[in-house]
Amino acid sequence: GAVVSQHPSWVICKSGTSVKIECRSLDFQATTMFWYRQFPKQSLMLMATSNEGSKATYEQGVEKDKFLINHASLTLSTLTVTSAHPEDSSFYICSAQGGGHQPQHFGDGTRLSIL
Amino acid sequence: AQSVTQPDIHITVSEGASLELRCNYSYGATPYLFWYVQSPGQGLQLLLKYFSGDTLVQGIKGFEAEFKRSQSSFNLRKPSVHWSDAAEYFCAVYGQNFVFGPGTRLSVLP
Repeated sequence: GAVVSQHPSWVICKSGTSVKIECRSLDFQATTMFWYRQFPKQSLMLMATSNEGSKATYEQGVEKDKFLINHASLTLSTLTVTSAHPEDSSFYICSAQGGGHQPQHFGDGTRLSIL
Repeated sequence: AQSVTQPDIHITVSEGASLELRCNYSYGATPYLFWYVQSPGQGLQLLLKYFSGDTLVQGIKGFEAEFKRSQSSFNLRKPSVHWSDAAEYFCAVYGQNFVFGPGTRLSVLP
């Protein structure tokens, strides 16, 4: 149980384009979803926390207009990187939590490469 | 505010040897504690969690962890490491919010 699907797993695109990443909880309802960014050989950096039906809460230093997060249902959250540039290239990971102090369950990540 | 430290950035052990990865936390009350493993290029997988009760918790893949309140620690152990255990390991604490440690990279020698 507690499977989280993240899609796509790898995307390469030109600078200036927008990229959407989907995160789905397949067998449970996720009241909260998290979006992380991870640089090589580093820990996770929390970008934002989203609750279903509410606006996402962004961490300090994360541009909300750059990284658009939508959590329209209890099983789906999307992260859109708008007007992506090479410095946005990174590994993005989502996680979903069923509520309260339940563990976060992670997707397999999306490797984003901006040319 | 809560915090998590993993004192060892990188650990190398021989296959078949025992393993202990350290995790210390700072929080005013007893938090909820987790260990995750991340293989290269993949997301994180939950190994085990501690909420309450027995302080020695069993997880998947033969891992266990022991909560020691007096030491504010939640160390991860495995009696015999396999080559497939080579990965990055993250300790996480949930008090007011979720906080991950910096990670410990485990290398396994044949």
